[in-house]
Amino acid sequence: DAGITQSPRYKITETGRQVTLMCHQTWSHSYMFWYRQDLGHGLRLIYYSAAADITDKGEVPDGYVVSRSKTENFPLTLESATRSQTSVYFCASSESVRTGTEAFFGQGTRLTVV
Amino acid sequence: DQQVKQNSPSLSVQEGRISILNCDYTNSMFDYFLWYKKYPAEGPTFLISISSIKDKNEDGRFTVFLNKSAKHLSLHIVPSQPGDSAVYFCAATGRGSTLGRLYFGRGTQLTVWP
Repeated sequence: DAGITQSPRYKITETGRQVTLMCHQTWSHSYMFWYRQDLGHGLRLIYYSAAADITDKGEVPDGYVVSRSKTENFPLTLESATRSQTSVYFCASSESVRTGTEAFFGQGTRLTVV
Repeated sequence: DQQVKQNSPSLSVQEGRISILNCDYTNSMFDYFLWYKKYPAEGPTFLISISSIKDKNEDGRFTVFLNKSAKHLSLHIVPSQPGDSAVYFCAATGRGSTLGRLYFGRGTQLTVWP
């Protein structure tokens, strides 16, 4: 099916563990993004990528690592999970965030760090 | 520091009336603005956008107004319907250091009651 999918939808992990959230899009969009949504903060940009092998930090990148070896995949890794990283994570993709082309979001991954 | 601000966390409107959601921004590099709608347990979905070369964009019941001198935009929904009840996020992108990034506000919860 065409679209953008995130996996897993729900994840519980322990403090200090490494965890990877997956994101896959079928449109071959150039841009991909990772956001976290927290009460009182809205959506905050963690990392984004303008193309394969090109990534850059967003507003809250500390504690996260991304890679983009293929255009369609943009995994987000928490190297050593902390309780403050408990959040809902959204991946998005866009051909361009300008010129009237909006970003499409996945359904989110709810991550709980215990 | 939040570069896109939605200062009203919630708005309650009667069905059939106008809903006005407000958004302010601080970064002069922003020149493209978007509104997203989000239902619980779903990813945000694109609603409407506006370029800084315009001061108004209309799509059905939704109109976005941009006041560049005040760094302010607003989303008008007329008439409001119960199905419009959702969280609305304002987002912005632009030139320079903001190029390729999509910044979001904290969101406004709109409730439309019968």
